Amino acid sequence: AQSVTQPDIHITVSEGASLELRCNYSYGATPYLFWYVQSPGQGLQLLLKYFSGDTLVQGIKGFEAEFKRSQSSFNLRKPSVHWSDAAEYFCAVGARNTGNQFYFGTGTSLTVIP
Amino acid sequence: DTGVSQDPRHKITKRGQNVTFRCDPISEHNRLYWYRQTLGQGPEFLTYFQNEAQLEKSRLLSDRFSAERPKGSFSTLEIQRTEQGDSAMYLCASSPREGVWNGYTFGSGTRLTVV
Repeated sequence: AQSVTQPDIHITVSEGASLELRCNYSYGATPYLFWYVQSPGQGLQLLLKYFSGDTLVQGIKGFEAEFKRSQSSFNLRKPSVHWSDAAEYFCAVGARNTGNQFYFGTGTSLTVIP
Repeated sequence: DTGVSQDPRHKITKRGQNVTFRCDPISEHNRLYWYRQTLGQGPEFLTYFQNEAQLEKSRLLSDRFSAERPKGSFSTLEIQRTEQGDSAMYLCASSPREGVWNGYTFGSGTRLTVV
């Protein structure tokens, strides 16, 4: 069965510091992986996605993520965090079935302190 | 392209009442999805349409829930005899069939509070 684990419920970083958000997935085949960001009271915005090929993918807003098959991980990184990055971050795996539904993790809440 | 629109943004209802939400997807997207997000959780799949056909429903979608997408355009999600456990954010998303793996486009959601 497909599942996604985000081990960190909440992370606090200082503005300008680097960031890494962890994501581990369980899926029986090569996964389609995504990171979404959600600001309070808003819908989800796609940050980046991975299907195949280069395991380091670049996204919007300066984010990147690295797919590591051996660790079943797809961690999100940013070298220098801005105050506007404070939000909820969700990792998701896409199922290659008829509906192509996504399975989301429980999210990591990011607080940025000045 | 104005994105995915959901209406209303917020809904407060008394337990036992019926509520209906609307989603207008991106016009050229033929796939439409409904997800539910409870506090502190990630979105959970409810159902999906390809054009007007409802092709998959989650076990989360009890018989009190019904979704429609007449003419393959906008969609409605109705909850009958609401319960407090129905309080959640209801998210709609759309995608083109060919580009689903580019990621859905989500709406801003409808937040339902059942009192």
